[in-house]
Amino acid sequence: RKEVEQDPGPFNVPEGATVAFNCTYSNSASQSFFWYRQDCRKEPKLLMSVYSSGNEDGRFTAQLNRASQYISLLIRDSKLSDSATYLCVVNRYNNNDMRFGAGTRLTVKP
Amino acid sequence: DAGITQSPRYKITETGRQVTLMCHQTWSHSYMFWYRQDLGHGLRLIYYSAAADITDKGEVPDGYVVSRSKTENFPLTLESATRSQTSVYFCASRQGSGELFFGEGSRLTVL
Repeated sequence: RKEVEQDPGPFNVPEGATVAFNCTYSNSASQSFFWYRQDCRKEPKLLMSVYSSGNEDGRFTAQLNRASQYISLLIRDSKLSDSATYLCVVNRYNNNDMRFGAGTRLTVKP
Repeated sequence: DAGITQSPRYKITETGRQVTLMCHQTWSHSYMFWYRQDLGHGLRLIYYSAAADITDKGEVPDGYVVSRSKTENFPLTLESATRSQTSVYFCASRQGSGELFFGEGSRLTVL
């Protein structure tokens, strides 16, 4: 079993839709959590950090459930430009070992 | 604002040859990382470095060698390339526990 698991998708949604991704992690000692975005054939870039209390950045909301060991990302009012692969990232007990999920691919259609 | 650059961006080589991928960052970040990305696996950490002359193994280090004689450079060497090392390689850097910044990637094909 992989340490960080994501549904690979693809998720195909119309513009304006709300879409949610989940990510589960197996190492209960994991300390910090992130969502990265990766466009086709490009490098990953930080989308947002995930805090215990949950956090929101515009149309994006991230939540953490430590008891169930999962992280979620909600995208409201999807735009064409949101089409990308979303990577769940879990930072283990030391800051140097960040484990990536395989990514969830999102396509937003007109 | 050069940031973090990788070279070469594309490389084709043959089994058994030595290949070195270069990574250079202009931010003086302490930490540098090498990841490989393969379909279905996501990014996997190969090696990382906390500072000059300090390196450590990640999740998949076998077949790779790194060095860090200067803070800004972190080359990755495949001593004897194998087909299973065909992949996209990303170098990244960060300062402390901050955001990971990635280079544009190096696409390596081993024939």
